[in-house]
Amino acid sequence: RKEVEQDPGPFNVPEGATVAFNCTYSNSASQSFFWYRQDCRKEPKLLMSVYSSGNEDGRFTAQLNRASQYISLLIRDSKLSDSATYLCVVLSGGGADGLTFGKGTHLIIQP
Amino acid sequence: DTAVSQTPKYLVTQMGNDKSIKCEQNLGHDTMYWYKQDSKKFLKIMFSYNNKELIINETVPNRFSPKSPDKAHLNLHINSLELGDSAVYFCASSHVRGPSYEQYFGPGTRLTVT
Repeated sequence: RKEVEQDPGPFNVPEGATVAFNCTYSNSASQSFFWYRQDCRKEPKLLMSVYSSGNEDGRFTAQLNRASQYISLLIRDSKLSDSATYLCVVLSGGGADGLTFGKGTHLIIQP
Repeated sequence: DTAVSQTPKYLVTQMGNDKSIKCEQNLGHDTMYWYKQDSKKFLKIMFSYNNKELIINETVPNRFSPKSPDKAHLNLHINSLELGDSAVYFCASSHVRGPSYEQYFGPGTRLTVT
């Protein structure tokens, strides 16, 4: 069983639309959750941390459901520059552990 | 100012050679990591170092050895390179204590073994 699962896509979405990604994680003891963004041939960059209460940063909203062990990311009013791979990431131990990455969801925003 | 830097950015070498990749962070973090991203784009943790001690060591071949001269640097040495070692290697750093465990990544080193 994969530790962090995501739909790989690609998601082809017209500019201005709203798009949502989900991911599930297998380790119920996981403590911290993140969404990272990775552009082609670049390093992963932190998009936002995900908290149980849900959090919003501009057009981006992240939600965590611990009972169902899934994490979501909502992007409103999508821009061409949002085209990237979005990685669902889980930290299962203390801060010294590495991150467990999903394989990513590829998003393509079309003009 | 680059927060996490790696050198070289590209590395092309032949099978059997020994090579090193260097990583430096200026974020004041106390833990550093090495990740491997294979041809299928899957990112996986290889090592982490906290206060000069190896915290985790995933099941990577012992041809790979991390070396940390101080908490701002974590180098990766690879002996007897094999074709399957071709990948992008990312260095990252973070604080080991909360409340934030966010990790920040270097630009990556693209290793090609021929």
